[in-house]
Amino acid sequence: EVQLVESGGGLVKPGGSLRLSCAASGFTFSGYTMNWVRQAPGMGLEWVSSINFDAGYTYYADSVKGRFTISRDNAKNSLFLQMNSLRSEDTAVYYCARGNGDYAYWGQGTLVTVSS
Amino acid sequence: DIQMTQSPSSLSASVGDRVTITCRASQDIRNDLGWYQQKPGKAPKRLIFAASSLQSGVPSRFSGSGSGTEFTLTISSLQPEDFATYYCLQHNNYTPTFGQGTKVEIK
Repeated sequence: EVQLVESGGGLVKPGGSLRLSCAASGFTFSGYTMNWVRQAPGMGLEWVSSINFDAGYTYYADSVKGRFTISRDNAKNSLFLQMNSLRSEDTAVYYCARGNGDYAYWGQGTLVTVSS
Repeated sequence: DIQMTQSPSSLSASVGDRVTITCRASQDIRNDLGWYQQKPGKAPKRLIFAASSLQSGVPSRFSGSGSGTEFTLTISSLQPEDFATYYCLQHNNYTPTFGQGTKVEIK
């Protein structure tokens, strides 16, 4: 069974940093593009970032470019999102999702709150 | 970036009604589109991929159609468990974009 479990969310002050993790199981992690998608409270879904199977390519939404870094550790079946210079508008539930733009599997999400 | 315009933003319908939701892309995306259902407090769930292919395990009352720039999600006979928010997602390029969502509420 495919499982994606996010962790690392929490309360952080504006300008602060946070690192999210996504632990994958039930599939060959190293064979898939992985992604982060977020959802601000009461709002729609927003794609954040993608990383291809061997980390050779990474992509970012304009809203996070230069502040967020996606990475992966295929040996540990893990996906990461390093978030720096956080702003109030980054407050959201962050989901990891498997797939190359077509997301058949999602984690349950982790809440990031940016507030002073 | 490719913009996805989804309509309506919300609708009220009764059990048994036929419901149609539309997404329009700002440029040709072939059939690189999926439809997702999201219930409060839950992760989205994929219903349709490649514009018209039904995800395994999803009831056949859900169907998708379209290609190019116009896409439709149809629920042929709305059931109580279908009240949720629906999103389209295009993945024709390296920066996927979601539609704004359609909230389906009980009339």
